[in-house]
Amino acid sequence: QSPLTQPASMSGSPGRSITISCTGTSSDIGSYDYVSWYQQHPGKAPKLMIYDVSDRPSGVSNRFSGSKSGNTASLTISGLQAEDEADYYCTSYTTSSTYVFGTGTTVTVL
Amino acid sequence: EVQLVESGGGLVQPGGSLRLSCAASGFTFNSYWMHWVRQAPGKGLVWVSRMNTDGSSTSYADSVKGRFTISRDNAKSTLYLQMNSLGVEDTAVYYCVRPLHGRYTFDFWGQGTTVTVSS
Repeated sequence: QSPLTQPASMSGSPGRSITISCTGTSSDIGSYDYVSWYQQHPGKAPKLMIYDVSDRPSGVSNRFSGSKSGNTASLTISGLQAEDEADYYCTSYTTSSTYVFGTGTTVTVL
Repeated sequence: EVQLVESGGGLVQPGGSLRLSCAASGFTFNSYWMHWVRQAPGKGLVWVSRMNTDGSSTSYADSVKGRFTISRDNAKSTLYLQMNSLGVEDTAVYYCVRPLHGRYTFDFWGQGTTVTVSS
């Protein structure tokens, strides 16, 4: 199973929005609405930000939103804040009953 | 408070074995499928394995199939990962992960245990 494809890095100014893409195949993202997004700060465990494409766990800011079209999912961070600077990973359930993560995106707040 | 505490990591030579443990508390362990996810130094997250609630069903990433075995002891609220025939490519932080109940997503992560495969 090849990793899902994400841009290696993205950046934005405080207050602006960025959208991170996550491209898979018809065997993962294209087959299920089981896409999740995780935020990871250096040296820390990942934190769930979005699940089932667009649902937010309790406690996660509504500045984070998710969507999906075909084999590509997206995470949008609105109103960028310094604390959003982190690595972001997508993941999807697959038709093989396994999971595949994205390659990861480093977000820099300028 | 939900806690997942991994242990058992360390330095091992190529071809060696290790058994990781994950002690769970603060939730009904036997109601949750459980997973292992790893992250090599400076690299991304990789799903490794999962087990269902009673241990009757497992799944593995192709990269570890046939070498790693996941298991659990519900009486002890503990998840295990037996790792055999280790290679340098298995060097990583190994996370024990609990899904959001009934969902295909990873909700709570332990702090991880580090496995280093080197001669």
